[in-house]
Amino acid sequence: QVLLVQSGADVEKPGASVKLSCKTSGDTFASYFIHWVRQGPGQGLEWLGIIDPNDGTTTYAQKFQGRVTMTGDTSTKTVYMELNSLRSDDTAVYYCARGSGWIGTRVDYWGQGTLVTVSS
Amino acid sequence: QSALTQPASVSGSPGQSITISCTGTNSDIGSYDFVSWFQQHPGKAPKFIMYEVSYRPSGVSDRFSGSKSGNTASLTISGLQTDDEADYYCSSYSTGDTVVFGGGTKVTVL
Repeated sequence: QVLLVQSGADVEKPGASVKLSCKTSGDTFASYFIHWVRQGPGQGLEWLGIIDPNDGTTTYAQKFQGRVTMTGDTSTKTVYMELNSLRSDDTAVYYCARGSGWIGTRVDYWGQGTLVTVSS
Repeated sequence: QSALTQPASVSGSPGQSITISCTGTNSDIGSYDFVSWFQQHPGKAPKFIMYEVSYRPSGVSDRFSGSKSGNTASLTISGLQTDDEADYYCSSYSTGDTVVFGGGTKVTVL
C-alpha cells in the first residue's frame, strides 16, 4: 500500500517560513518522484515543484523560484517542502504526491494534505 | 507557465455522457502526451483517474475515457452517475520538466 503521510496544520505570520513534511512508505522514496501541489480556498490545483528524493534533484515552478526549497531525508524516507516569505495568498492546502512513469509525470498517489494558514 | 483552460462547469443527467475540455499550448498539451486527469470530491485529496491522455489506472471505471487533439485534451464520462459529481482537473507535462494544471471543472449531475 502506498502511503504519503503529511504533517499537521500550521499557522504562520506574513513574512515567516513554513516547512512541511511528507513521510513516504515502501520503495517510494528510493524509486519515485515527489510533487508538491497546493490548493487555495475554493481554488484549483497549483503545482509548486518536484523532487527526486533519491538524488535530491529538484525542478520548481517559475512562480516559486527563490522562495521554495524541497529536500529529502533518506534515513526517515521523508520529503520536506519549505516556503519562505509567506503572504496571505499562500494560505492553502498543500499536498505531496507520488510521481511515477517518465520523470514522474504520472501523479498517482496523494497525501492527505496540510492546511497552512498565513495570518497576522 | 499559464494554467490550462477548462470550462468552469459541465452538467448532465444520470446516464448521459459529458465531455470536459482542457486547452493548453504547444509548450504542453500540443507537444506531449503526458496529460492526466484527477477527480476531487469536496474535502478530499484529488484522485488520479487518467494518465498519458487515455490510460486508466487500475480500478478506475471504464466509463471514463480520454483523448487529445492538437492543444486540447478531453475527458469523457459516459453513463453519468451521481457519484461522478465532483471537481475535475487536467494536468500536463510542460517544457522545462514542469507540470501545469487546469483551473478545474465542476461536474453537476442533474
